Amino acid sequence: QVQLQESGPGLVKPSGTLSLTCTVSGGSISNYYWGWIRQPPGKGLEWIGFISYSGSTNYNPSLKSRVTISVTKSKNQFSLKLSSVTAADTAVYYCARDGAALDYWGQGTLVTVSS
Amino acid sequence: DIQMTQSPSTLSASVGDRVTITCRASQSISTWLAWYQQKPGKAPKLLIYDASSLESGVPSRFSGSGSGTEFTLTISSLQPDDFATYYCQQSRGTFGQGTKLEIK
Repeated sequence: QVQLQESGPGLVKPSGTLSLTCTVSGGSISNYYWGWIRQPPGKGLEWIGFISYSGSTNYNPSLKSRVTISVTKSKNQFSLKLSSVTAADTAVYYCARDGAALDYWGQGTLVTVSS
Repeated sequence: DIQMTQSPSTLSASVGDRVTITCRASQSISTWLAWYQQKPGKAPKLLIYDASSLESGVPSRFSGSGSGTEFTLTISSLQPDDFATYYCQQSRGTFGQGTKLEIK
């Protein structure tokens, strides 16, 4: 059974960089796409972007200038970096496997942007 | 950017009802559409992919249809476990704003 687990700081200062890692267990990171999604408190889902097993990426145009998604095959991990954060970036961040759709999800991790 | 618009935003229904949620894309996305169910405090769960394919393990009372710019999710007979928020998503892209299904 594929499992995903997000990890990283739960508190980030304004203007800083949010960094999260998603560790995949129970399956290889190869041959799939992998995505990041976020959900501000009380609001809907926002697609952040995805990376393929070969490293090609596609990002939400509204976040594109601040987002980087990368993959580390040797560790079966992929990562998210979001720069120049503000309070509007406070959200639960999810990682997910993108097969035919987002079929396996992590439990989500709350990241708060505050000084 | 492709925008995804769901309607209604909130839907009140009773156990046993048949309900339909609509999702419209701002331009054609063929059948590249998925539907998810989310309950409070939980990650979303995939229900339907490729507009009409039922994810393994999802009850057959859930069905999806549509292509191009208009799509629907139908629950044929609502069960107590179905009261949740539902989202459509363009494959590897934008989500709709969500539809909250409430008990009438």
